Amino acid sequence: QSALTQPRSVSGSPGQSVALSCTGSSSDVGAYGSVSWYQQHPGKAPKLMIYDVNKRPSGVPDRFSASKSGNTASLTISGLQAEDEADYYCCSHAGSHAYVFGTGTKVTVL
Amino acid sequence: EVQLVDSGGGLVQPGGSLTLSCAASGFTFSNSWMTWVRQAPGKGLEWVANINPDGSGKYYVDSVKGRFTISRDNAKNSLYLQMNSLTADDTAIYYCAKAYNSGWTDWGQGTLVTVSS
Repeated sequence: QSALTQPRSVSGSPGQSVALSCTGSSSDVGAYGSVSWYQQHPGKAPKLMIYDVNKRPSGVPDRFSASKSGNTASLTISGLQAEDEADYYCCSHAGSHAYVFGTGTKVTVL
Repeated sequence: EVQLVDSGGGLVQPGGSLTLSCAASGFTFSNSWMTWVRQAPGKGLEWVANINPDGSGKYYVDSVKGRFTISRDNAKNSLYLQMNSLTADDTAIYYCAKAYNSGWTDWGQGTLVTVSS
Protein backbone atom coordinates (compact mmCIF):
# COMPACT_ATOMS: atom_id res chain seq x y z
CA GLN A 1 0.00 0.00 0.00
CA SER A 2 2.58 2.56 -1.11
CA ALA A 3 1.33 6.07 -1.84
CA LEU A 4 0.75 6.96 -5.47
CA THR A 5 3.35 9.37 -6.87
CA GLN A 6 2.34 12.92 -7.74
CA PRO A 7 4.54 15.93 -8.59
CA ARG A 8 5.05 18.10 -5.56
CA SER A 9 3.95 21.27 -7.31
CA VAL A 10 2.56 22.63 -10.55
CA SER A 11 1.95 26.24 -11.50
CA GLY A 12 0.25 28.19 -14.25
CA SER A 13 -1.08 31.62 -15.11
CA PRO A 14 -4.80 32.41 -15.13
CA GLY A 15 -6.43 31.02 -18.24
CA GLN A 16 -3.72 28.47 -18.87
CA SER A 17 -4.05 24.69 -18.57
CA VAL A 18 -2.13 22.53 -16.15
CA ALA A 19 -1.86 18.76 -16.01
CA LEU A 20 -1.30 16.75 -12.86
CA SER A 21 -0.03 13.20 -13.01
CA CYS A 22 -0.61 10.33 -10.60
CA THR A 23 1.57 7.25 -11.02
CA GLY A 24 0.78 3.97 -9.37
CA SER A 25 1.26 0.35 -10.29
CA SER A 26 -0.45 -2.60 -11.89
CA SER A 27 -1.90 -3.35 -8.43
CA ASP A 28 -3.83 -0.12 -8.11
CA VAL A 29 -4.17 2.54 -10.84
CA GLY A 30 -3.45 0.07 -13.62
CA ALA A 31 -5.76 -2.58 -12.27
CA TYR A 32 -8.98 -0.71 -11.58
CA GLY A 33 -11.21 1.93 -13.13
CA SER A 34 -11.59 3.44 -9.67
CA VAL A 35 -9.45 6.58 -9.65
CA SER A 36 -10.72 9.71 -7.96
CA TRP A 37 -9.32 13.21 -7.50
CA TYR A 38 -9.75 15.61 -4.58
CA GLN A 39 -9.19 19.33 -4.18
CA GLN A 40 -8.24 20.60 -0.73
CA HIS A 41 -7.95 24.22 0.28
CA PRO A 42 -5.96 25.05 3.44
CA GLY A 43 -7.84 24.16 6.60
CA LYS A 44 -10.73 22.61 4.70
CA ALA A 45 -11.97 19.09 4.10
CA PRO A 46 -11.21 17.53 0.70
CA LYS A 47 -13.70 17.97 -2.13
CA LEU A 48 -14.37 15.27 -4.72
CA MET A 49 -13.58 16.55 -8.22
CA ILE A 50 -13.43 13.34 -10.27
CA TYR A 51 -14.57 9.75 -9.68
CA ASP A 52 -14.43 6.57 -11.74
CA VAL A 53 -11.35 7.92 -13.59
CA ASN A 54 -13.11 10.65 -15.56
CA LYS A 55 -16.57 11.45 -14.17
CA ARG A 56 -17.41 14.80 -12.60
CA PRO A 57 -19.85 15.05 -9.69
CA SER A 58 -22.63 17.57 -10.06
CA GLY A 59 -21.36 21.09 -9.53
CA VAL A 60 -17.75 20.51 -10.57
CA PRO A 61 -16.86 22.76 -13.51
CA ASP A 62 -16.11 21.09 -16.82
CA ARG A 63 -12.72 22.84 -16.71
CA PHE A 64 -11.69 19.78 -14.74
CA SER A 65 -11.11 16.66 -16.79
CA ALA A 66 -9.28 13.43 -16.16
CA SER A 67 -8.05 10.26 -17.81
CA LYS A 68 -5.95 7.18 -17.23
CA SER A 69 -3.37 5.32 -19.27
CA GLY A 70 -1.76 2.22 -17.89
CA ASN A 71 -0.51 2.87 -14.36
CA THR A 72 -0.80 6.66 -14.62
CA ALA A 73 -3.86 8.84 -14.11
CA SER A 74 -4.02 12.50 -15.04
CA LEU A 75 -6.08 15.52 -14.06
CA THR A 76 -6.20 18.55 -16.34
CA ILE A 77 -7.41 21.94 -15.22
CA SER A 78 -8.24 24.16 -18.19
CA GLY A 79 -8.76 27.91 -18.00
CA LEU A 80 -6.99 28.08 -14.66
CA GLN A 81 -8.64 30.38 -12.14
CA ALA A 82 -7.43 31.87 -8.87
CA GLU A 83 -9.80 29.67 -6.85
CA ASP A 84 -8.18 26.56 -8.32
CA GLU A 85 -5.10 27.19 -6.19
CA ALA A 86 -5.14 24.27 -3.77
CA ASP A 87 -3.70 20.86 -3.05
CA TYR A 88 -4.88 18.03 -5.28
CA TYR A 89 -4.82 14.35 -4.37
CA CYS A 90 -5.49 11.32 -6.52
CA CYS A 91 -6.80 8.10 -5.02
CA SER A 92 -7.11 4.58 -6.36
CA HIS A 93 -8.72 1.35 -5.34
CA ALA A 94 -5.92 -1.06 -4.42
CA GLY A 95 -7.79 -4.34 -4.17
CA SER A 96 -9.68 -6.00 -1.31
CA HIS A 97 -11.70 -2.85 -0.62
CA ALA A 98 -8.51 -0.94 0.21
CA TYR A 99 -7.60 2.47 -1.18
CA VAL A 100 -4.40 4.43 -1.59
CA PHE A 101 -3.97 8.19 -1.98
CA GLY A 102 -1.34 10.04 -3.93
CA THR A 103 1.33 12.18 -2.34
CA GLY A 104 -0.46 15.36 -3.39
CA THR A 105 0.26 18.23 -5.77
CA LYS A 106 0.17 21.89 -4.83
CA VAL A 107 -1.29 23.95 -7.68
CA THR A 108 -0.20 27.57 -7.70
CA VAL A 109 -1.89 30.20 -9.84
CA LEU A 110 0.74 32.76 -10.80
CA GLU B 1 -28.51 18.28 2.55
CA VAL B 2 -25.92 15.70 3.50
CA GLN B 3 -24.17 16.50 6.77
CA LEU B 4 -21.37 14.62 8.52
CA VAL B 5 -20.19 15.83 11.91
CA ASP B 6 -16.96 14.37 13.29
CA SER B 7 -16.24 14.37 17.01
CA GLY B 8 -14.24 12.66 19.73
CA GLY B 9 -10.74 13.85 18.98
CA GLY B 10 -8.36 15.12 21.62
CA LEU B 11 -5.03 14.66 23.35
CA VAL B 12 -4.14 11.10 24.32
CA GLN B 13 -0.96 9.55 25.68
CA PRO B 14 1.03 7.01 23.66
CA GLY B 15 -0.48 3.58 24.15
CA GLY B 16 -3.86 5.08 24.94
CA SER B 17 -7.25 4.68 23.32
CA LEU B 18 -9.82 6.99 21.78
CA THR B 19 -13.14 6.56 19.97
CA LEU B 20 -14.16 8.90 17.19
CA SER B 21 -17.75 9.42 16.10
CA CYS B 22 -19.39 10.69 12.95
CA ALA B 23 -23.04 11.75 13.04
CA ALA B 24 -24.72 11.53 9.64
CA SER B 25 -27.87 13.18 8.33
CA GLY B 26 -29.53 14.10 5.06
CA PHE B 27 -29.16 10.73 3.34
CA THR B 28 -29.99 7.07 3.83
CA PHE B 29 -27.05 6.15 6.06
CA SER B 30 -27.91 2.46 6.14
CA ASN B 31 -27.43 2.22 2.36
CA SER B 32 -23.99 3.85 2.25
CA TRP B 33 -20.41 2.66 2.44
CA MET B 34 -18.54 4.87 4.88
CA THR B 35 -14.86 5.63 5.31
CA TRP B 36 -12.33 7.19 7.66
CA VAL B 37 -9.47 9.17 6.12
CA ARG B 38 -6.73 10.91 8.11
CA GLN B 39 -4.22 13.66 7.49
CA ALA B 40 -1.17 14.16 9.64
CA PRO B 41 -0.19 17.80 10.24
CA GLY B 42 1.24 19.25 7.05
CA LYS B 43 1.04 15.88 5.28
CA GLY B 44 -1.14 14.19 2.69
CA LEU B 45 -4.33 12.19 2.92
CA GLU B 46 -4.31 8.56 4.04
CA TRP B 47 -7.20 6.14 3.74
CA VAL B 48 -7.71 4.41 7.09
CA ALA B 49 -10.78 2.15 6.96
CA ASN B 50 -14.01 1.31 5.12
CA ILE B 51 -17.23 -0.30 6.28
CA ASN B 52 -20.04 -1.63 4.14
CA PRO B 53 -23.70 -0.63 4.64
CA ASP B 54 -24.72 -3.38 7.05
CA GLY B 55 -21.43 -3.38 8.94
CA SER B 56 -20.47 -6.92 8.01
CA GLY B 57 -17.44 -5.89 5.95
CA LYS B 58 -14.61 -3.89 7.46
CA TYR B 59 -11.32 -3.07 5.75
CA TYR B 60 -8.19 -1.34 7.05
CA VAL B 61 -4.88 0.10 5.96
CA ASP B 62 -2.06 -2.19 7.10
CA SER B 63 -0.68 0.31 9.62
CA VAL B 64 -3.84 0.22 11.78
CA LYS B 65 -4.87 -3.43 11.46
CA GLY B 66 -5.31 -4.99 14.87
CA ARG B 67 -5.39 -1.59 16.59
CA PHE B 68 -8.33 0.27 15.03
CA THR B 69 -11.93 -0.91 14.65
CA ILE B 70 -14.47 0.74 12.39
CA SER B 71 -18.14 0.25 13.25
CA ARG B 72 -21.53 1.77 12.65
CA ASP B 73 -24.94 2.03 14.24
CA ASN B 74 -27.49 2.40 11.46
CA ALA B 75 -30.28 3.05 13.97
CA LYS B 76 -28.37 6.08 15.21
CA ASN B 77 -26.98 7.13 11.79
CA SER B 78 -23.53 7.05 13.29
CA LEU B 79 -20.07 5.85 12.30
CA TYR B 80 -17.30 5.10 14.78
CA LEU B 81 -13.56 4.50 14.88
CA GLN B 82 -12.20 2.82 17.99
CA MET B 83 -8.45 3.44 18.18
CA ASN B 84 -6.19 1.50 20.55
CA SER B 85 -2.44 1.37 21.17
CA LEU B 86 -2.03 4.84 19.75
CA THR B 87 1.39 6.13 18.72
CA ALA B 88 2.70 9.51 17.64
CA ASP B 89 2.30 8.37 14.03
CA ASP B 90 -1.47 8.33 14.54
CA THR B 91 -1.53 12.08 15.21
CA ALA B 92 -3.76 13.51 12.51
CA ILE B 93 -7.05 15.09 11.58
CA TYR B 94 -9.54 12.27 11.07
CA TYR B 95 -12.34 12.73 8.55
CA CYS B 96 -15.36 10.53 7.99
CA ALA B 97 -16.67 10.42 4.44
CA LYS B 98 -19.58 9.01 2.48
CA ALA B 99 -18.83 6.87 -0.54
CA TYR B 100 -20.20 7.49 -4.03
CA ASN B 101 -19.02 5.03 -6.66
CA SER B 102 -15.20 5.12 -6.48
CA GLY B 103 -15.06 8.44 -4.63
CA TRP B 104 -16.16 10.12 -1.42
CA THR B 105 -18.61 12.93 -2.09
CA ASP B 106 -19.28 14.21 1.40
CA TRP B 107 -16.86 14.76 4.23
CA GLY B 108 -17.04 15.69 7.88
CA GLN B 109 -15.20 18.73 9.15
CA GLY B 110 -12.55 16.52 10.73
CA THR B 111 -11.52 15.92 14.33
CA LEU B 112 -7.94 16.29 15.54
CA VAL B 113 -6.25 13.44 17.38
CA THR B 114 -2.96 14.28 19.08
CA VAL B 115 -0.89 11.47 20.58
CA SER B 116 1.68 12.89 22.95
CA SER B 117 2.94 12.53 26.48
